[in-house]
Amino acid sequence: DVKVTQSSRYLVKRTGEKVFLECVQDMDHENMFWYRQDPGLGLRLIYFSYDVKMKEKGDIPEGYSVSREKKERFSLILESASTNQTSMYLCASSTTGRNTEAFFGQGTRLTVV
Amino acid sequence: AQTVTQSQPEMSVQEAETVTLSCTYDTSENNYYLFWYKQPPSRQMILVIRQEAYKQQNATENRFSVNFQKAAKSFSLKISDSQLGDTAMYFCAFWSGGATNKLIFGTGTLLAVQP
Repeated sequence: DVKVTQSSRYLVKRTGEKVFLECVQDMDHENMFWYRQDPGLGLRLIYFSYDVKMKEKGDIPEGYSVSREKKERFSLILESASTNQTSMYLCASSTTGRNTEAFFGQGTRLTVV
Repeated sequence: AQTVTQSQPEMSVQEAETVTLSCTYDTSENNYYLFWYKQPPSRQMILVIRQEAYKQQNATENRFSVNFQKAAKSFSLKISDSQLGDTAMYFCAFWSGGATNKLIFGTGTLLAVQP
């Protein structure tokens, strides 16, 4: 079974802290994605990566950065956490091509106080 | 840019009945994939069904089927014989698989199956 693992299920951080959310997949997938999920807004794409060291901005990249130094790991970084970044964060990975689908981690609920 | 629209924030259905969730999308591409994902209270996103745009035949997976209308850019999900375990948030998603490689989701429909 494909496994996508996010480092924390719940996280509480203070305003101004630098926050790292880690995501690891074990199926050698080329693509990895970070989303935030808010009620009424669905899943909004923050960043995605289609290869090691490659990244593309999604629809809401402001206030975030990412790192993909190894194929299996995709990190989301909040440079200076703010209360409006309190949200559910979901990581996903996938292959490219036919019969593709995205596999998701269990989500990290981040609260910034 | 691609967009995905789900116009039904919430729906309710009686157990054993049939329900249809709506989804429309906008794209200028010809080859793409469409998905329905389910997110139960456990928060784990689960793929329900997938449709490839070049296939005219509608995808089916047991009690789940889609009505894919490419010209109308419509992709609805039909759940037959609804079960209590179908209670979840359902998300429609679009993926070009091309140069942009973005996987874009709609805002979701919260489905409640009533006993």
